[in-house]
Order: sequence, then C-alpha cells, then structure tokens
Amino acid sequence: SAVISQKPSRDICQRGTSLTIQCQVDSQVTMMFWYRQQPGQSLTLIATANQGSEATYESGFVIDKFPISRPNLTFSTLTVSNMSPEDSSIYLCSVESRPGELFFGEGSRLTVL
Amino acid sequence: GEDVEQSLFLSVREGDSSVINCTYTDSSSTYLYWYKQEPGAGLQLLTYIFSNMDMKQDQRLTVLLNKKDKHLSLRIADTQTGDSAIYFCAELRWRALTFGSGTRLQVQP
Repeated sequence: SAVISQKPSRDICQRGTSLTIQCQVDSQVTMMFWYRQQPGQSLTLIATANQGSEATYESGFVIDKFPISRPNLTFSTLTVSNMSPEDSSIYLCSVESRPGELFFGEGSRLTVL
Repeated sequence: GEDVEQSLFLSVREGDSSVINCTYTDSSSTYLYWYKQEPGAGLQLLTYIFSNMDMKQDQRLTVLLNKKDKHLSLRIADTQTGDSAIYFCAELRWRALTFGSGTRLQVQP
C-alpha cells in the first residue's frame, strides 16, 4: 500500500485568504486525486492531478478557486483560494498505487472563519 | 438522488455479524470498494472487489457482489467495538471514485 502524508493536518483560516495543502506519497504513482468532504457529508471529487499538464476538474470546481500543481509523480498541492466559511471541509488526497487500489491520506481539516 | 445508495445507520451487539448494504447504478464500474472512516480520521481502504467477482473474503470481512441487481454488501463477522465507524461504499468510474453517503455502524457492548 502507499503511504500518503498531507500537510497541514488542520488549519483555521480567515475569510478571503488562501491555503495550500500538500500531498506527498512514498512511491511514484500515476494517478493522484483531490476530494472534498463537507461536514457530515460523503466525499466529492474535486479534480485529477495530472503530472506535466493541467488538472482535470469535475463539474462545479474551477481552477481559479482550486489551483492544483503536480510537479512530479510523488507530490501534489491543492490551493483553496479566497476562502469563505462554505469552504470549511476536509480535503483529502488519494492515489492509485496499483490498478484498482485507491488509498487516501489522513485529510486536511480546514475551518474558515 | 445519490448514484450510490446506503442506509444511514446500523446498530449491532458486540460479537454479532454486521451487514452493510449498498446499491450502485453504473454497470460499467470496474471495481467496488468499502472504506472505513473513524472520527477525526481519513479513509481506510478495507477491501475492494473486481466487478467480475461474486465474493471476496478477507479475515472477518466478506464482500458480496450481485452485478445483476447492482448490489454490494459488506459482512463483518464477530463485530467488535473497534468496528464502530462510518463505512463508505464507492464505485470506480473512469479511475475516480463515486461514494455513497456512508453507513454509521454502532456496536453496543
């Protein structure tokens, strides 16, 4: 299995600011994803982080709000821009270590005041 | 409504078996998954099954897949208090997961 580290694990931020979340994997992986889990809800895919090209965003998510970087096969960042209280969620990184095996990090718990 | 559906809550006594059910809609899904989420934690991959299989067993966990009815179940044998958590069913479409709403399992001592 892949070991996935996310930073920060939690943060409290002010409205209007931006926060960058990092995801580091202990092995090279082709596929990396970012999900959001709003309070008391299930998970929703934000985007697929593509190495060497722009991320692929799901309906309802845009690059200006959630810019993503993927500089190599072990690392990705997700930025939550111009935050509002509605962005308070857990943001989770996911990787496919082998075909069909999808693992998640511990998540980054964001509270926006 | 949800593409992947689960009941919201299940309560069992310690030592009993738990069965958590899930229905999905996309017949082209290649893999189906069960994840466990404990309070304040991320998602733990419990098990997954390839869509051409009917059953998969892993220690106390048994997954049954009825592809005709698009029904997936997770059976936990000898349920322990440490099994109390939210269990998410998910299906893989185009290499990304679609999740159910989660079933909260409460294990009574």
